[in-house]
Amino acid sequence: TQLLEQSPQFLSIQEGENLTVYCNSSSVFSSLQWYRQEPGEGPVLLVTVVTGGEVKKLKRLTFQFGDARKDSSLHITAAQPGDTGLYLCAGYTGGFKTIFGAGTRLFVKA
Amino acid sequence: NAGVTQTPKFRILKIGQSMTLQCTQDMNHNYMYWYRQDPGMGLKLIYYSVGAGITDKGEVPNGYNVSRSTTEDFPLRLELAAPSQTSVYFCASSYLGPDGEAFFGQGTRLTVV
Repeated sequence: TQLLEQSPQFLSIQEGENLTVYCNSSSVFSSLQWYRQEPGEGPVLLVTVVTGGEVKKLKRLTFQFGDARKDSSLHITAAQPGDTGLYLCAGYTGGFKTIFGAGTRLFVKA
Repeated sequence: NAGVTQTPKFRILKIGQSMTLQCTQDMNHNYMYWYRQDPGMGLKLIYYSVGAGITDKGEVPNGYNVSRSTTEDFPLRLELAAPSQTSVYFCASSYLGPDGEAFFGQGTRLTVV
C-alpha cells in the first residue's frame, strides 16, 4: 500500500511564528499538490510541483518538492490567523492514482 | 460562480437504507470524482468519470454506485447503508485530468446508525 505521511499531524502556534510541515513517502510522484481545507469546506488547491527540487512561492508560503520526488515541504513565514486550516498533500503516481496524506491541522492564534 | 455543488450537506441514514448524493458542476469539466474523507485518513477515491457515459472504480468502490448521464451531474448511490459508510463525501471535478487542479464541493457529512 502506498502511503503519504504528513507531519506534524497538529500544530498550534502564535501569530507571527514560522512553521514547516512535511509530506513523505517511499513512492516517486509525477507531481505533488498541496491543498488547504477549512472546516465545512472542500479542499482548495494551493500549488502543484512537478520537477524534483522545484521551489514555488505563494506570498508567505514556500513549497519545495524533494530532489527524488518522494517528499515535499510547506513553509509558512509569519503565520497569520487566516492560515488556520487543514493542509493536505496529494501525490500523483499515474493513471487515476492520487495518494492523499491525512493532513496537518494548523491553528494560528492571534 | 457555483463551481461544484453537492447536496445534501448533512444526512443521517439507518442501516440498510439507501440514498443518492447529488453532485453537479458548471465548469464543463469532463473529469469528475467522488472521494470519502475519514478522520486521520487521506481522501480515498470511490469512483471517477472521464466523461458522460464513462465511469470507473477507484480505490474503495464497494457499497457504492455511480452514473454519469450528463457532463454536469455525477450522483453517488449508496445501497444498503452500513456504519462503515459513515464519512464525509466530496465530489470534485477537473479539466486536465487527475493530475490537474481539482475543484471540490463543500462535502456531505453522512452518518449511518
